[in-house]
Amino acid sequence: AQSVTQPDIHITVSEGASLELRCNYSYGATPYLFWYVQSPGQGLQLLLKYFSGDTLVQGIKGFEAEFKRSQSSFNLRKPSVHWSDAAEYFCAVVPQGGSEKLVFGKGTKLTVNP
Amino acid sequence: KAGVTQTPRYLIKTRGQQVTLSCSPISGHRSVSWYQQTPGQGLQFLFEYFSETQRNKGNFPGRFSGRQFSNSRSEMNVSTLELGDSALYLCASSLASGGRREQYFGPGTRLTVT
Repeated sequence: AQSVTQPDIHITVSEGASLELRCNYSYGATPYLFWYVQSPGQGLQLLLKYFSGDTLVQGIKGFEAEFKRSQSSFNLRKPSVHWSDAAEYFCAVVPQGGSEKLVFGKGTKLTVNP
Repeated sequence: KAGVTQTPRYLIKTRGQQVTLSCSPISGHRSVSWYQQTPGQGLQFLFEYFSETQRNKGNFPGRFSGRQFSNSRSEMNVSTLELGDSALYLCASSLASGGRREQYFGPGTRLTVT
């Protein structure tokens, strides 16, 4: 079945440590790929997106993501986490050639320890 | 430029009642999408309107409906409310429609059904 999977429900890192949030998708063709962040009580903010081309994508707030076709993955990374990065992160896809609906993963909640 | 605004921010309703939520998109944006966010089901697409026409619809019962006005403002209506309709309802606007559209989210309306 077509799906977006974020294997980690909750991740805790120390401030200054590196971060990698995982996202895998299961679609016949590579979908359009997005990462969003949601801070408590807020709406979602787009961090970055991938449609085609260079597989390493730079986003806002120092985030980057790497698309790996062979692994059907689009993992989000940050070299050094700040306390303000504590939030919930959502991977989302839009299947190509389909209904153009944005489909979200279940999210990964990030806690940052001082 | 003002962001996406949603009114009201919080709402408490009783089972069987109906509710109307409002969304004002970013100036110049013609596409408005609605999402439901619950702890159990996560983020789910409700529908998208573009230039007053519904372009896409998610897998929700007919009790959920929406519309868009000529100024791009949008409303969604839920009739005969059920306890399971308690959720955060998010609205997102974008310049254009299509799978690559960059969506800007509002803060949401928190609906509680008792």
